[in-house]
Amino acid sequence: DAKTTQPPSMDCAEGRAANLPCNHSTISGNEYVYWYRQIHSQGPQYIIHGLKNNETNEMASLIITEDRKSSTLILPHATLRDTAVYYCIVRVSRRNTPLVFGKGTRLSVIA
Amino acid sequence: NAGVTQTPKFRVLKTGQSMTLLCAQDMNHEYMYWYRQDPGMGLRLIHYSVGEGTTAKGEVPDGYNVSRLKKQNFLLGLESAAPSQTSVYFCASNIPAREAGELFFGEGSRLTVL
Repeated sequence: DAKTTQPPSMDCAEGRAANLPCNHSTISGNEYVYWYRQIHSQGPQYIIHGLKNNETNEMASLIITEDRKSSTLILPHATLRDTAVYYCIVRVSRRNTPLVFGKGTRLSVIA
Repeated sequence: NAGVTQTPKFRVLKTGQSMTLLCAQDMNHEYMYWYRQDPGMGLRLIHYSVGEGTTAKGEVPDGYNVSRLKKQNFLLGLESAAPSQTSVYFCASNIPAREAGELFFGEGSRLTVL
């Protein structure tokens, strides 16, 4: 699985968009970008994933650059409940090996 | 549909004692996993299972044993607990064959070894 780089922490004002970056310059053609988040003391929760097209669901949007070397997770209107650690993971889809979590980005949403 | 349930949620042990953490999932998932998370750290994989009757080692397997006698249950055992095993333990399950292959996690089991 390709390595990812995320900033250790970010702040965001409540109600504003939170843009969480992830660099994955060694990503290969069949690797997807996955995002999970972990709210304090809870188990991680899947958010979204994508290959090369931008994706959107009820939780967030995922923007992947054309060269696929980086991506951004967007929470359009951050709330206090979005304060969490966000993990960006790159791996081949349907791969039957365990997911490896890095240290992620700690997002603090401030009132 | 409870998802992934872990028991117990909290436990305090003395060094050398043994215990078993139980993970149960009702989603008919093939794969199950045990992770541990220490303060300020990411999750580290202890053991996992790709189906009933199978287990495999993860990144930090020493000091732990696991069993998957039934598809819905995955047990994590500590034979002789050590203070270094003080951690939060998370169980997860999924079906990797799906494109998302999303992991579903339990709420965690907080273990303190004195």
